[in-house]
Amino acid sequence: QSVLTQPPSASGTPGQRVTISCSGSHSNIGSHHVYWYQQFPGTAPKLLIHSDYQRPSGVPDRFSGSKSGTSASLSISGLRSEDEAHYYCAAWDDSWVFGGGTELTVL
Amino acid sequence: EVQLVQSGPEVKKPGESLKISCKSAPDYFSRYWIGWVRQMPGKGLEWMAIIYPGDSESKYSPSFQGRVTISADTSISTAYLQWSSLRASDTAIYYCATSHPTFGGVMPGYWGQGALVTVSS
Repeated sequence: QSVLTQPPSASGTPGQRVTISCSGSHSNIGSHHVYWYQQFPGTAPKLLIHSDYQRPSGVPDRFSGSKSGTSASLSISGLRSEDEAHYYCAAWDDSWVFGGGTELTVL
Repeated sequence: EVQLVQSGPEVKKPGESLKISCKSAPDYFSRYWIGWVRQMPGKGLEWMAIIYPGDSESKYSPSFQGRVTISADTSISTAYLQWSSLRASDTAIYYCATSHPTFGGVMPGYWGQGALVTVSS
């Protein structure tokens, strides 16, 4: 049982906008920044969004993050086949806490 | 960019001990959290333990408290994760990750390549 709650799966067609949600509590998302990671099969996770909505250098602006209260979301616009991956949200809660991950399928 | 270089794959028998390593960059090692995340086959990321090398403060997930020990050697900018008695259920990929000031300095900003640990009789 993960501390942060994500839907196990999401899907969209090429060009669509997809949003993945992440729900937490006051002690994590409600009080600290949210982070998002992208992971392809057989590779290490990669930081996609930090500090709620900031993109590291090299991350396309198709990826965006937002936060409201104790929930956050990751949006991917102009969906591409190469976006098919697992996505994890995370936040500080006196330690590192992660969501269970969302498998994104591009139909 | 900070490169985290992890030790190689391991094959162990149940009951054996193991210590895996993660070498970081000296510039930031002592000042930011570094930790370990487990990923079992086909499953998600599970935070195990983190350590602040500057003062050796460590935190453990309740799921792993008492099963593993995290440590750090600031002289060689290396973090470790060790087991005293492995179980078959410890078979997984173990990632080290570190925070970085560019990304807020608390949550993982960089990840190691992962180390596959296989425990089988």
